[in-house]
Amino acid sequence: EPEVTQTPSHQVTQMGQEVILRCVPISNHLYFYWYRQILGQKVEFLVSFYNNEISEKSEIFDDQFSVERPDGSNFTLKIRSTKLEDSAMYFCASTYRGETQYFGPGTRLLVL
Amino acid sequence: AQSVTQLDSQVPVFEEAPVELRCNYSSSVSVYLFWYVQYPNQGLQLLLKYLSGSTLVKGINGFEAEFNKSQTSFHLRKPSVHISDTAEYFCAVYGGSNYKLTFGKGTLLTVNP
Repeated sequence: EPEVTQTPSHQVTQMGQEVILRCVPISNHLYFYWYRQILGQKVEFLVSFYNNEISEKSEIFDDQFSVERPDGSNFTLKIRSTKLEDSAMYFCASTYRGETQYFGPGTRLLVL
Repeated sequence: AQSVTQLDSQVPVFEEAPVELRCNYSSSVSVYLFWYVQYPNQGLQLLLKYLSGSTLVKGINGFEAEFNKSQTSFHLRKPSVHISDTAEYFCAVYGGSNYKLTFGKGTLLTVNP
């Protein structure tokens, strides 16, 4: 069964550094998402991406964040200058028509 | 805009007992409803979903949920739980012209022997 994959599984970085989180969505899916989950809190929507552009973004998704689909398979989330409060689990998700979203295993980001 | 309320943050039960995890939602439009499960140190796995049709939906691992439009609820049930069902359960809603999922705060189900 096809699945969403994410790399790396864990990332430790220093405050102020740039990080890129990578996702490979399910191959025939058209809509892509990033969510995050701060430890002990609920899963929060960050951004949705369709037809090579952002379709919606949350208040969390400020100018420090960007997304890209550089080729036909990868979907990346870049944080330009990480802050302590960016420490969280980041989930990528994809869907074919926008109904059922399938999630990747997540990347645990720790900012020191 | 949609919102989801999971009324119980923690639910401890004994093995083989029945369990109900409650979820209420609010939305001004028709919605799709989901339950996801997160096992310790793992990602989110789709448990079941309601898109349309029968209001009683069955999912994996013996779980089921009933969509009640008048009460705006989508409670998750299992008649007999196992130790392996210990996990965090998230109710989520999707609807309207946006495409994001809105999650509840989660319910930690702990099954004790």
